[in-house]
Amino acid sequence: DAKTTQPNSMESNEEEPVHLPCNHSTISGTDYIHWYRQLPSQGPEYVIHGLTSNVNNRMASLAIAEDRKSSTLILHRATLRDAAVYYCILSRGTGNQFYFGTGTSLTVIP
Amino acid sequence: GAVVSQHPSRVICKSGTSVKIECRSLDFQATTMFWYRQFPKQSLMLMATSNEGSKATYEQGVEKDKFLINHASLTLSTLTVTSAHPEDSSFYICSARARTGLNYGYTFGSGTRLTVV
Repeated sequence: DAKTTQPNSMESNEEEPVHLPCNHSTISGTDYIHWYRQLPSQGPEYVIHGLTSNVNNRMASLAIAEDRKSSTLILHRATLRDAAVYYCILSRGTGNQFYFGTGTSLTVIP
Repeated sequence: GAVVSQHPSRVICKSGTSVKIECRSLDFQATTMFWYRQFPKQSLMLMATSNEGSKATYEQGVEKDKFLINHASLTLSTLTVTSAHPEDSSFYICSARARTGLNYGYTFGSGTRLTVV
């Protein structure tokens, strides 16, 4: 399965935008890019996903590079509640297993 | 939206006993569910894929006789940790694949903290 690489940790000031990068250089044409986040002692929570085009929802935006070898999760205004571990995951087609990488631990500074 | 309920949220058991964890999809049918294990400060590790009405598929290195998975209905999958030992203490999380419109999404339960003493 294609792997993802993310920075171990990042910091952001509250109410500022956050750009969380993810590299997936071995992505295949049918791999979807998913982003989930996990708060301590909770299950992961869906953030956003996409295939080729950039995506926006009420939580975040997903910018996908033209060659699809990297993507960036954008939180437009970080809040303290956004402090979590963010996982970038690839899944092949629909319904395939998720293999989690190490994720990025986001700290939001008041 | 799709909701997955996991029960219990916490359980403490004695070494050598068995513990059952339930994972239910509350408002959708889940033909496929997944079980993960997460140790402190580590990422989630996929243990097995559970398909309704058939045997689960285990990831390499996961003992199928120790971690029994049953997916008898479209809304319920169970994970039984048999003859639990302290090293089985972990955070167990299930997820279910749900159809949302034209896409499929993955919804996770809130996890079960297992402590074996």
